[in-house]
This record gives sequence, structure tokens and C-alpha cells, in this order.
Amino acid sequence: QVQLQESGPGLVKPSETLSLTCTVSGGSISSYYWSWIRQPPGKGLEWIGYIYYSGSTNYNPSLKSRVTISVDTSKNQFSLKLSSVTAADTAVYYCARHGCSGGSCSIGYGMDVWGQGTTVTVSS
Amino acid sequence: QSALTQPASVSGSPGQSITISCTGTSSDVGGYNYVSWYQQHPGKAPKLMIYEVSNRPSGVPDRFSGSKSGNTASLTISGLQAEDEADYYCSSYTSSSTQVFGGGTKLTVL
Repeated sequence: QVQLQESGPGLVKPSETLSLTCTVSGGSISSYYWSWIRQPPGKGLEWIGYIYYSGSTNYNPSLKSRVTISVDTSKNQFSLKLSSVTAADTAVYYCARHGCSGGSCSIGYGMDVWGQGTTVTVSS
Repeated sequence: QSALTQPASVSGSPGQSITISCTGTSSDVGGYNYVSWYQQHPGKAPKLMIYEVSNRPSGVPDRFSGSKSGNTASLTISGLQAEDEADYYCSSYTSSSTQVFGGGTKLTVL
């Protein structure tokens, strides 16, 4: 079955750029929407943004100025970059796949496959 | 976009039923049948329990059900079991083609 694995530095300095990659195994990245979600310690989930395998994206308005999500279909990977990070960006970061229904795939459908999450701490 | 509103906590005894509400606006919950519910145990990734308001992915017990009325969606768990104790999050598609989560509800099985 499809599995997702996040990877990237666990420690990022303030004002620098956080970079994470999600590797899709057991299936193709094509035809699906893919999202990044984060969860600060002891807090709830926050949706960061999505990318379609073709490259179209949309982001959480509160993070839009700092976020870039890209896809590399040849590597079956998609990536997150978050610039100018502060301590408030410390969180567990998850990647996830949006499901399909009736043969149609949409960001509207639930996120049916999740990575295990990776902890990113912003600190000098 | 504002987070959807969920109660911070709910509780119930084994065998009972509980309902968790998720209130949004006509630009998200009320405008689309794209509400999902997730279960998250401590230290684990969220798990999809309900999609498109009331559909269950394969493998999710039929004790879990979802519904929607106006701008409020609900998750009902019947025949509560100890393993249901977890955090639950709703999410919705929005008119801006984004996703928004609720603040989360901690379910305690007494």
C-alpha cells in the first residue's frame, strides 16, 4: 500500500528556511492532491498547503507569503519550504494524500494516507 | 481563514454514544459536502475516520458516523470503547479551495 515518509533537518535556526521532503512509496504521485499539515507541541492541526501532481498549488492564507510547495514526479516526491522561520514554526510536520471518490480526485476528499510526521524545532 | 469550532473535550462511558460538533460557516462546512473527521492517538499521525460528511473508509467500524446540518457537522461514536479515547479533528474544504481544521476535541472514555 501507499506509504509516505517525511525527511529533512530536525533543527532550523530562526530566520532561516525550513525544507522538508515527502517521499511516496508503493504507488504513484500522479493523479492525486498532496498536502502538508503541521502540529505545534500540545496544539491542534494546521493545514499548510497542497500541491497537485501537475504542479498547481494553494496555501493557507496565514502562511502564504512564506510557503512554497513543489513536486518532483520523477522521484515520486513533493517538498515544503517555509521561509523566515521563528519559534512559532516549531511543530511536527506531516505530509498526506487526499483521497479520491467515484474516480474523481480532489482536495475536498479526506486525507487518507499520512506520513508518520517529523519534528522540526526552530532554535539558535 | 478561521479554524472550525469544536468542543475542547467530551466524555462518555463504555457502551454509550457521544457526539462531537464542528461549526463553520457557509464558506466551508455549510457550503460543501467535503467534511472529514480524523482520530489521533498520542504521538501518532491522524487517521481518517469519515470523509464527505458521512462516508467511512474501509476498516473504520460502523460505530463511527457523520452528519451535517447547515454550518455544523457532527461525528457520533456509538458503543464507545476504551480504544476510542483520542483527539478528534474535523476539517472542511473552503470556498478559497483550501482546507481548514477544527481546534480538536479530546475524547475521554470514563
